Amino acid sequence: QQQVKQSPQSLIVQKGGISIINCAYENTAFDYFPWYQQFPGKGPALLIAIRPDVSEKKEGRFTISFNKSAKQFSLHIMDSQPGDSATYFCAARRGGSYIPTFGRGTSLIVHP
Amino acid sequence: SQTIHQWPATLVQPVGSPLSLECTVEGTSNPNLYWYRQAAGRGLQLLFYSVGIGQISSEVPQNLSASRPQDRQFILSSKKLLLSDSGFYLCAWSVQTYEQYFGPGTRLTVT
Repeated sequence: QQQVKQSPQSLIVQKGGISIINCAYENTAFDYFPWYQQFPGKGPALLIAIRPDVSEKKEGRFTISFNKSAKQFSLHIMDSQPGDSATYFCAARRGGSYIPTFGRGTSLIVHP
Repeated sequence: SQTIHQWPATLVQPVGSPLSLECTVEGTSNPNLYWYRQAAGRGLQLLFYSVGIGQISSEVPQNLSASRPQDRQFILSSKKLLLSDSGFYLCAWSVQTYEQYFGPGTRLTVT
């Protein structure tokens, strides 16, 4: 059973555009939602994270939007750049758990 | 600051050969340690995690095993590799239940 559903599987955006990746979860006990960025041949790196007591968190061009009632959260990349081309993973973790549940990833390509 | 090392970076092994991948963490004590596998173009599959020396939890049954001989050392092993063991192996660490930080990974190709 996939507890975190991530979409789309792949995304192509023009330089300067907005990239949007969506995730939906089922377990209402999840209380921490990180996003990871992975470049080819590298390990994933923590990009930005949010807790359900806020609806939005912004760090530079990256914004997480969180909708607790809909059990959905999304990553928005504003002014997308070719250097943003990577695979992005959303995740969710239950309070007190060591183990996050990852989405299946979104491959983002930003064309120059 | 904390750093995580994995070696080797790449490895090509024949079917039936043994495997040993090593991961070490610097700059922290008593970290939680994790082994993940990532098949080509796929997501992250948790293989093992450890919350302390000698404490290993397995998430999926397979011909792999893990050991934690020292506080900041995590080893992934196999006695006989299968073709299906090919993939990108990632070690990660966390402090208690906080964020996970991943290592650079080991690319394993079983031929």
